[in-house]
Amino acid sequence: DAKTTQPPSMDCAEGRAANLPCNHSTISGNEYVYWYRQIHSQGPQYIIHGLKNNETNEMASLIITEDRKSSTLILPHATLRDTAVYYCIVRVEDNFNKFYFGSGTKLNVKP
Amino acid sequence: DAGITQSPRHKVTETGTPVTLRCHQTENHRYMYWYRQDPGHGLRLIHYSYGVKDTDKGEVSDGYSVSRSKTEDFLLTLESATSSQTSVYFCAIRTPRANYGYTFGSGTRLTVV
Repeated sequence: DAKTTQPPSMDCAEGRAANLPCNHSTISGNEYVYWYRQIHSQGPQYIIHGLKNNETNEMASLIITEDRKSSTLILPHATLRDTAVYYCIVRVEDNFNKFYFGSGTKLNVKP
Repeated sequence: DAGITQSPRHKVTETGTPVTLRCHQTENHRYMYWYRQDPGHGLRLIHYSYGVKDTDKGEVSDGYSVSRSKTEDFLLTLESATSSQTSVYFCAIRTPRANYGYTFGSGTRLTVV
């Protein structure tokens, strides 16, 4: 039931910006896009979320296209500790707000 | 983080035995979820709860049951464990932080031999 498509893996040089794309072409008008990451086998960690507008917090920026069919997570200065699997999730807008995960993108930050 | 703990952290059990995993939260949140994660896959929803004694099935619920007799505890039971249920199990709660995103526990690694 995952509503998102992400590349399976990406590489990024340490100190450079990491740009992780996500396609969610079937997203509905009131559905939010969330990004989580998972380091090793730890529980996924919240990064950022958005509906229509671009968002920025201390961890990352989220750019959502005007038609909302895709988004990009930007880590402005990637470090080795950012190596993780990144999940883009569209939150189903029902009474239970379930998250359906796809396979995510494995980001490899290299020295 | 967010007062969510899972127990046990690791368990090895034999095929055919019942197993119960516990998720405990200290913040009185209404919504709780159980996911499983297998190598090379994202997380898949097993069951979820929207209140005491209110539960429903997720996308991979066969072979699993859940109970929520108290707000703080959400139990996942494998009635008769099979090798295909070897996995890492994550519990999550929905919190007002991040517009009602999820906070996850640290996971339970279950091996069925």
